[in-house]
Amino acid sequence: DAGITQSPRYKITETGRQVTLMCHQTWSHSYMFWYRQDLGHGLRLIYYSAAADITDKGEVPDGYVVSRSKTENFPLTLESATRSQTSVYFCASFPTAMNTEAFFGQGTRLTVV
Amino acid sequence: AQKITQTQPGMFVQEKEAVTLDCTYDTSDPSYGLFWYKQPSSGEMIFLIYQGSYDQQNATEGRYSLNFQKARKSANLVISASQLGDSAMYFCAMREAGANTDKLIFGTGTRLQVFP
Repeated sequence: DAGITQSPRYKITETGRQVTLMCHQTWSHSYMFWYRQDLGHGLRLIYYSAAADITDKGEVPDGYVVSRSKTENFPLTLESATRSQTSVYFCASFPTAMNTEAFFGQGTRLTVV
Repeated sequence: AQKITQTQPGMFVQEKEAVTLDCTYDTSDPSYGLFWYKQPSSGEMIFLIYQGSYDQQNATEGRYSLNFQKARKSANLVISASQLGDSAMYFCAMREAGANTDKLIFGTGTRLQVFP
């Protein structure tokens, strides 16, 4: 199916564990993004990427790692999960053209206990 | 520094009335894009409308229009003839063309509630 998909949709993990959230898009969009959404904070940018092997830190990168070996995939890893990383995570992509909207995945609800 | 500011955490509007959701932004880049997204209680992000920094006219999409005041750096969303289904969170976002890559940043959102 065409689009952008995130997996898993829901995840419960324990403090200190490593967890990876997956994001896959089928359009070959250049740009991909990871956000976390918390009440009162809107969507905050964690990491973003302009192309394979090019990534940049956003507003809240601490505790997260990303990679982009292929254009279509942009996994987000929490190296050692903490309770403060309990959140809803959204992946998004858009193409090079400025006047095109970003397309979002369905979100991953992560709970760290 | 906050680059996208939405000063209204919540708004109420009666059905069939118009409502304006405020958004101000800050950038020194001459080329940028402004977006509004709707997030219903189900959680998905729905694109509503786009305004480019070089666009001369305000964008419109059906019942949505964007009141773009470039000198004031504001990009307010106007929803005409509100419907119960418009009850949702609304986010303003800006795409900046950076040195190496574009990025998309969001405001904190406005929760709109439409009542009969």
